[in-house]
Amino acid sequence: DIQMTQSPASLSASLGETVTIECRASEDIYNGLAWYQQKPGKSPQLLIYNANSLHTGVPSRFSGSGSGTQYSLKINSLQSEDVASYFCQQYYDYLNTFGAGTKLELK
Amino acid sequence: EVQLQESGPGLVKPSQSLSLTCSVTGYSITSNYWGWIRKFPGNKMEWMGYISYSGSTSYNPSLKSRISITRDTSKNQFFLQLNSVTTEDTATYYCARYLRRVFDYWGQGVMVTVSS
Repeated sequence: DIQMTQSPASLSASLGETVTIECRASEDIYNGLAWYQQKPGKSPQLLIYNANSLHTGVPSRFSGSGSGTQYSLKINSLQSEDVASYFCQQYYDYLNTFGAGTKLELK
Repeated sequence: EVQLQESGPGLVKPSQSLSLTCSVTGYSITSNYWGWIRKFPGNKMEWMGYISYSGSTSYNPSLKSRISITRDTSKNQFFLQLNSVTTEDTATYYCARYLRRVFDYWGQGVMVTVSS
């Protein structure tokens, strides 16, 4: 199985700040990576796929980057509605695996 | 709009079977792929498997001997059965559309506790 190591586990940031969350794969996943947002009590929402493609309807302050084994999700100009948990998913391997998640809170 | 809704018992006894239904509206399950994912207490997530537009299935090898995903196209529903459950199967179970290997629409999730 491809292991996904996500960091940090939790993050506190101020409104307007830029936030970066990272996922590291245990082997090259060739950009087969998605990012999701999950608000408390809600279902996960797809943000990014193919490492850097913005899903329909997702605000442009969200962006993804990376290659090989290292990938990042960046949130520019943090808004209050971005308070949520974020997690990555690798799908390069048919056995999809997920990061452990990052809980983002407001400072 | 594509909508998915899980349903099923919230409490299952150890050694019994867990059975969940995912009802889909706004899109036919005879197109694309449809999957099950679970989130354990502590937030670890696990891909369980999927059923395709044709009815073929693929499962997480860690579950392969216990899991079955089936469908009823007349009701636009697909199902999860997990046999011989233990307390380690306690989780929130989600169904989702699996499009080009990402999950673009999810259900709200159903919490299932395995306990005697």
